[in-house]
Amino acid sequence: DTAVSQTPKYLVTQMGNDKSIKCEQNLGHDTMYWYKQDSKKFLKIMFSYNNKELIINETVPNRFSPKSPDKAHLNLHINSLELGDSAVYFCASSQGPTWVFGPGTRLTVL
Amino acid sequence: AQTVTQSQPEMSVQEAETVTLSCTYDTSESDYYLFWYKQPPSRQMILVIRQEAYKQQNATENRFSVNFQKAAKSFSLKISDSQLGDAAMYFCAYRTIIQGAQKLVFGQGTRLTINP
Repeated sequence: DTAVSQTPKYLVTQMGNDKSIKCEQNLGHDTMYWYKQDSKKFLKIMFSYNNKELIINETVPNRFSPKSPDKAHLNLHINSLELGDSAVYFCASSQGPTWVFGPGTRLTVL
Repeated sequence: AQTVTQSQPEMSVQEAETVTLSCTYDTSESDYYLFWYKQPPSRQMILVIRQEAYKQQNATENRFSVNFQKAAKSFSLKISDSQLGDAAMYFCAYRTIIQGAQKLVFGQGTRLTINP
């Protein structure tokens, strides 16, 4: 059983398009996150949700909008994609000091 | 703000030998968690080892162990008997809690190459 799953694993799209990445966890964790890994492999938090409530919103452009329909799901919608949005996006969940990451979604904007 | 620094962008080691990856961090907290994650070419983030700051004993997981020096704010990872499958990016991470919300802060990563 996959603990944290993301779809799609790869996403190739044109500049200006809108796209979504979905994340689901079956661990019963209360908190979910989106992290961005840039081309230099640096990982930085974007958002965090606890029981469907947004609790961390780092300095992220308004074009990025997370949505958590329930505790087990956290989606990321990106409007008007730009070249600089190309990266690997990781979903993660946590309960206390236990963290589990999804497999990542590689987004390529052409 | 908490920061995590990995000063070695790349390291290499001969198969079966031992290698140590360095990590330092900056914090004013007294109780926290530190982690080492492995990211192979598959890009999956795999937890290698976790250390609780209030525990003085260094964490170990099979061939992986840490040298946790709380006063020096240092958290190095030692890999013994290196294997080809250990080749990956390794990330040091610090768990911080700000206004009740926790997050992991990552270092820049160290790319480890294993030479056969």
